[in-house]
Amino acid sequence: GAVVSQHPSRVICKSGTSVKIECRSLDFQATTMFWYRQFPKKSLMLMATSNEGSKATYEQGVEKDKFLINHASLTLSTLTVTSAHPEDSSFYICSAPPPGTNEKLFFGSGTQLSVL
Amino acid sequence: AQSVTQLGSHVSVSEGALVLLRCNYSSSVPPYLFWYVQYPNQGLQLLLKYTTGATLVKGINGFEAEFKKSETSFHLTKPSAHMSDAAEYFCAVISGNTPLVFGKGTRLSVIA
Repeated sequence: GAVVSQHPSRVICKSGTSVKIECRSLDFQATTMFWYRQFPKKSLMLMATSNEGSKATYEQGVEKDKFLINHASLTLSTLTVTSAHPEDSSFYICSAPPPGTNEKLFFGSGTQLSVL
Repeated sequence: AQSVTQLGSHVSVSEGALVLLRCNYSSSVPPYLFWYVQYPNQGLQLLLKYTTGATLVKGINGFEAEFKKSETSFHLTKPSAHMSDAAEYFCAVISGNTPLVFGKGTRLSVIA
């Protein structure tokens, strides 16, 4: 089945630095990828929809200048947390739907970000 | 807009006992429904899904769920809990072309 690879799985950074998270579809082309954030109370919230070759679509309340999304190719989307602060510490998960479906079944393994 | 409610943020069962995790949804159009499991420090893994057809769906690891339209429910069950089932479980819904919407999750603890 389709595989989505997310890297890194865990990152610890200092406040004020930027962190890049990569999401790759390994055996299919993904024109769209989704980025979710898992809050401490454990709910998963959609942050943005990444579109290959165009600007990402952000959900209400998500700062586009803080969470930069780049979908430069059909197999790679990146999320960059800029000027990270402790409140950005969270679990970030990407998802890429296989072509021809909107079932969005395939998730990356997630990235645990800890900002000191 | 669709939404998902998972009743009980924490469920504890004895090993060998029935597992029942509750999920209710709201959707203006026929939904697709999913259950995902998340083990500690790992990403999400699909347990099972309902799209169309048979309302009782079977998934991995002995789990199953039944779509009940009249009750707007999609409860997850397993006849006999194993220690390895301890994890966080998320119910999710898609309707139309909307993104996946998750419930807040239910932590399942299995007591020896």
